Amino acid sequence: AQTVTQSQPEMSVQEAETVTLSCTYDTSENNYYLFWYKQPPSRQMILVIRQEAYKQQNATENRFSVNFQKAAKSFSLKISDSQLGDTAMYFCASGDSNYQLIWGAGTKLIIKP
Amino acid sequence: DAGITQSPRHKVTETGTPVTLRCHQTENHRYMYWYRQDPGHGLRLIHYSYGVKDTDKGEVSDGYSVSRSKTEDFLLTLESATSSQTSVYFCATSVPGTDTQYFGPGTRLTVL
Repeated sequence: AQTVTQSQPEMSVQEAETVTLSCTYDTSENNYYLFWYKQPPSRQMILVIRQEAYKQQNATENRFSVNFQKAAKSFSLKISDSQLGDTAMYFCASGDSNYQLIWGAGTKLIIKP
Repeated sequence: DAGITQSPRHKVTETGTPVTLRCHQTENHRYMYWYRQDPGHGLRLIHYSYGVKDTDKGEVSDGYSVSRSKTEDFLLTLESATSSQTSVYFCATSVPGTDTQYFGPGTRLTVL
């Protein structure tokens, strides 16, 4: 069965610092998508970034970027110049062949002023 | 983001009563999903739909049923609510080929 593992239950950093959240996954698919979602205290699930596995180039969205290591099945999220509004739960997910997402347990990120 | 609404947003009910949660989307997305979110468990799939009247079970489907009579609506029913079904319920939609899921705002359900 496919699995997604987030090994850091909670992290905290100072505002303006850079933080990296870890995610590893296990899949037998050849082509798949990987995702990071953010869930702030408002509870809304928000797509942060998406990576297509067949693309070599790491995806970036403004201050958010990923380090995608396909052979190692690693998909970490880097947040640069962290802001108070980045405080949230972050979930890593991978797509499977049945149009479903396999979810990690989440990392609680706290940005301190 | 896809226009996805959930109703009600909050509900308190008693054990043994039936409950129906509604998800409505305006994006004409083919796939729809119901998840529950509990502390320590992340998101767990209850049921999903891959078209009108086409549904299938997820990993935690016991005690839940779903129906989809129109593309835009996906209903989740708890036939006889139990305290273990106290949770936050999320609806999501996606378009084939991208796997990207778009979420509704969630419904907090409390079963006393």
